[in-house]
Amino acid sequence: KAGVTQTPRYLIKTRGQQVTLSCSPISGHRSVSWYQQTPGQGLQFLFEYFSETQRNKGNFPGRFSGRQFSNSRSEMNVSTLELGDSALYLCASSLNRAGYTFGSGTRLTVV
Amino acid sequence: AQRVTQPEKLLSVFKGAPVELKCNYSYSGSPELFWYVQYSRQRLQLLLRHISRESIKGFTADLNKGETSFHLKKPFAQEEDSAMYYCALFNLQGAQKLVFGQGTRLTINP
Repeated sequence: KAGVTQTPRYLIKTRGQQVTLSCSPISGHRSVSWYQQTPGQGLQFLFEYFSETQRNKGNFPGRFSGRQFSNSRSEMNVSTLELGDSALYLCASSLNRAGYTFGSGTRLTVV
Repeated sequence: AQRVTQPEKLLSVFKGAPVELKCNYSYSGSPELFWYVQYSRQRLQLLLRHISRESIKGFTADLNKGETSFHLKKPFAQEEDSAMYYCALFNLQGAQKLVFGQGTRLTINP
């Protein structure tokens, strides 16, 4: 079966712009989580969506938001981009907390 | 606070030698622990989880609640084991999420 698909793979944006990242989970998985990966901070939890509702949220500013659609696909939005937002953004889907399947990520570069 | 510590950022061993990647955690309650691996240019993938007690690619990990550790071991390293390894804890308190360690880059020398 298809894995977790993230688009686009790469993005270059300018400071102050906004960006939207997309994640399609494994079929049947209703939970989608987002993580930010940077060399300095490692993997940090952004938020989790389940059945179109944000179920959990990490310690990120309000510029980071997301949503989930009825088909479980999820989008993450970052507004007013800052240089420090440059990172690999990972999406993970799960059927239950027994294991998360990660996508390949979207590498965002803010210039 | 829930925390996962991987004390070694880099670990280098020779092919055929034993490997141990250290992981310590702080968590009040019964933790659910995982090891994830990221090979070069590949996505992060689950290697093993403590509740299943299975061995994957020759790796095992034992949960030691007394020492709050979940070290990853393999008796004989292979070159294809070179990768980034992350220990993770599933947090059930507050925001339910995976809490990752900083990772250990394992290099197997021929």
